[in-house]
Amino acid sequence: DARVTQTPRDKVTEMGQEVTMRCQPILGHNTVFWYRQTMMQGLELLAYFRNRAPLDDSGMPKDRFSAEMPDATLATLKIQPSEPRDSAVYFCASGLVTPPDYFSYNEQFFGPGTRLTVL
Amino acid sequence: DQQVKQNSPSLSVQEGRISILNCDYTNSMFDYFLWYKKYPAEGPTFLISISSIKDKNEDGRFTVFLNKSAKHLSLHIVPSQPGDSAVYFCAASASGGIDNFNKFYFGSGTKLNVKP
Repeated sequence: DARVTQTPRDKVTEMGQEVTMRCQPILGHNTVFWYRQTMMQGLELLAYFRNRAPLDDSGMPKDRFSAEMPDATLATLKIQPSEPRDSAVYFCASGLVTPPDYFSYNEQFFGPGTRLTVL
Repeated sequence: DQQVKQNSPSLSVQEGRISILNCDYTNSMFDYFLWYKKYPAEGPTFLISISSIKDKNEDGRFTVFLNKSAKHLSLHIVPSQPGDSAVYFCAASASGGIDNFNKFYFGSGTKLNVKP
């Protein structure tokens, strides 16, 4: 049963601490997305990778957030230092796009999310 | 500024009746639209989609309608069932180049409660 996994599922930390969230995309998928869900904004796109290369991280606060894909089976989202306003649920999603048919839209498969609370 | 808006944070419907969830968008370049459903403590899951070349797409009890001139789409669930109670997100994408494909903009969600 292929699915996106995320760890940890819940994280409580104090302001100023570093937080690292991990995502394992579905094997074979070549796109990875990080989203943040808040009550006010809904699902906000933070970062987007294709074939491990970052294509868009314009939704991410650059001074404290960073996203990487050390290899095809792991994506990380790091917050340093964390602040109370970062409290949210962070979702990772993966999908598959296959050249040359970039003109087809493909479903994104979401992980269960990491609930982050920064005190 | 949000490009996709769901102005109703919640909706309550009686079992067996129709549920209508609405979504508005501002970017006229959007040409593909999706609905995702989310249960508590789970990630969103894909429900139904529609391309801008169509104005309606149906899948069982779920139908999505697209009104391009009004920049509006809606999801109809008929008949509604208690298991449909979830948060529904609408999403949109624009085919503005290879790097934009599969980049979706989501609304803030509508929580549907179907009462038995």
